[in-house]
Amino acid sequence: DAGVIQSPRHEVTEMGQEVTLRCKPISGHNSLFWYRQTMMRGLELLIYFNNNVPIDDSGMPEDRFSAKMPNASFSTLKIQPSEPRDSAVYFCAIQRGRPNYGYTFGSGTRLTVV
Amino acid sequence: DAKTTQPNSMESNEEEPVHLPCNHSTISGTDYIHWYRQLPSQGPEYVIHGLTSNVNNRMASLAIAEDRKSSTLILHRATLRDAAVYYCILSPRPLNDYKLSFGAGTTVTVRA
Repeated sequence: DAGVIQSPRHEVTEMGQEVTLRCKPISGHNSLFWYRQTMMRGLELLIYFNNNVPIDDSGMPEDRFSAKMPNASFSTLKIQPSEPRDSAVYFCAIQRGRPNYGYTFGSGTRLTVV
Repeated sequence: DAKTTQPNSMESNEEEPVHLPCNHSTISGTDYIHWYRQLPSQGPEYVIHGLTSNVNNRMASLAIAEDRKSSTLILHRATLRDAAVYYCILSPRPLNDYKLSFGAGTTVTVRA
């Protein structure tokens, strides 16, 4: 969806390396969300921001995970150090405003940690 | 958060309607009902949402039971492009600030 651009689309990294996933919302929004999807656990909410402020990070699995939103047009999710169990598809989403209030998701970043 | 229950999978023939049920017996009076779908290798996509009245848009219709303990997403004429996982999700008000918790959803297969 043109509303949210994620990069990279695919990332393969070695265990122990730092990984940074990027999200660039194009259209206007108030809230931004990071999700992780695996076959075993489905779609899990990691963290969400409202007006660039982290509101709920209870889904962040460990201290190895951190997320930032320095401005309304950019957010990052960092994993340091990465582990094989972090392999998943990571989605960024924004909440649209009137009249739908729906979420718009990016195409995701497929992360593989070997 | 109130839970939803959906069948694991459903099959349909192309050009026929698809009725996807969702049970939410513990829904509160202020919970909205949302439907999303996820096509293969894509992020989830908003389909429709409602509170009490039935809703229609260009993608689908949402029929909400009078007691709100269940709802049905209706795809009027299924196409092969409608093959996806469909998620029924509840969220509390307000509608401009909520988070979505996805379950397992219903995998819809469309036969040509």
